[in-house]
Amino acid sequence: TQLLEQSPQFLSIQEGENLTVYCNSSSVFSSLQWYRQEPGEGPVLLVTVVTGGEVKKLKRLTFQFGDARKDSSLHITAAQPGDTGLYLCAGPFSNFGNEKLTFGTGTRLTIIP
Amino acid sequence: SAVISQKPSRDICQRGTSLTIQCQVDSQVTMMFWYRQQPGQSLTLIATANQGSEATYESGFVIDKFPISRPNLTFSTLTVSNMSPEDSSIYLCSETKGAGGFDEQFFGPGTRLTVL
Repeated sequence: TQLLEQSPQFLSIQEGENLTVYCNSSSVFSSLQWYRQEPGEGPVLLVTVVTGGEVKKLKRLTFQFGDARKDSSLHITAAQPGDTGLYLCAGPFSNFGNEKLTFGTGTRLTIIP
Repeated sequence: SAVISQKPSRDICQRGTSLTIQCQVDSQVTMMFWYRQQPGQSLTLIATANQGSEATYESGFVIDKFPISRPNLTFSTLTVSNMSPEDSSIYLCSETKGAGGFDEQFFGPGTRLTVL
């Protein structure tokens, strides 16, 4: 069962436009992570949000954790071709004492020059 | 940060054969993870590999199909056994510097497997 649903699944926009990607769950998470994966590489962590309502900024990227800690969003301002990639949210999941990350369904972003 | 390498980077294999993927990390870690990423999709955890104990497999994955070794704190292997075209995927290993599986994970570049 996929616990984290991302939307949209695909997004293709022109350079300079703004966009928002969503990560939603019916479960409460103690924290959420956002990763970006470029072709031929593994995912790389962008940010971790841990407090309900928290907002973190990383240059043109703004991450928000929902007040109820069930959802998160990633907003990119003035998108650039270098932002192209697969964006993944991930949350901690514990099963019979085994700690792991569960990854969202992913948003594939393409920025057109 | 972390430096993680995987071998091979890609391979094309025949149905029914097996492939062993190697993962080397640059410092000693307790927990290593193996993921599968099917074409155009997200990551699915196959198993957690802890040194000194049997790997813990996720639902839908079994040791006979995906045997894992963890001989020391910097190395792990994943074997994809008796392959079929449905096994065509990218296989990624990762590790965490933190105390548990909830912490930031550092990923290798992946092994792209195509089964004919």
